[in-house]
Amino acid sequence: EDQVTQSPEALRLQEGESSSLNCSYTVSGLRGLFWYRQDPGKGPEFLFTLYSAGEEKEKERLKATLTKKESFLHITAPKPEDSATYLCAVLSGGYNKLIFGAGTRLAVHP
Amino acid sequence: DAGVIQSPRHEVTEMGQEVTLRCKPISGHDYLFWYRQTMMRGLELLIYFNNNVPIDDSGMPEDRFSAKMPNASFSTLKIQPSEPRDSAVYFCASSQDRAQETQYFGPGTRLLVL
Repeated sequence: EDQVTQSPEALRLQEGESSSLNCSYTVSGLRGLFWYRQDPGKGPEFLFTLYSAGEEKEKERLKATLTKKESFLHITAPKPEDSATYLCAVLSGGYNKLIFGAGTRLAVHP
Repeated sequence: DAGVIQSPRHEVTEMGQEVTLRCKPISGHDYLFWYRQTMMRGLELLIYFNNNVPIDDSGMPEDRFSAKMPNASFSTLKIQPSEPRDSAVYFCASSQDRAQETQYFGPGTRLLVL
């Protein structure tokens, strides 16, 4: 069964304190791994798609990487406006639909 | 583009009443998805359409739930009769085609069944 596990569940950082969020997955043939950001009361906002191991993508202070078993979302010198829940999702060869992890709640304090 | 549009944004109803949620996908997108998000179960796919045709409804919890897509620019998710356990945030998302597969989400409808 396809499965996505995100860790930690919650993370508190000081402004400027870099860290990483983890998304480990078990799927029958990965077709894509997606990162979304969700602010309270809003829908998930697309950040990145990664398709193959070794691939990396960057956007402002965020950088996503992918291996055969997990993905990391690195946050460099975060700011309070980076506070949100970050969701990871996979699209497997077995199912034509996204399987979401439970998310990591990130809080960045000034 | 206005993005995915959902209405209403908030709905409060009493148990047993019919609830209809509405979605307008991004123009030109061939796929439409309905999700439900709760604290306990996270984000779950209920059903998705391709070119207005339902493809996979295995996530629909029970017969009380139904979804339609009469045309490329409109879809509804109906709950009849509603129950307190249906309280959740319901999201609609759309994507352009299978090759791209990036889904863009609407703002959601927050449903409370009393």
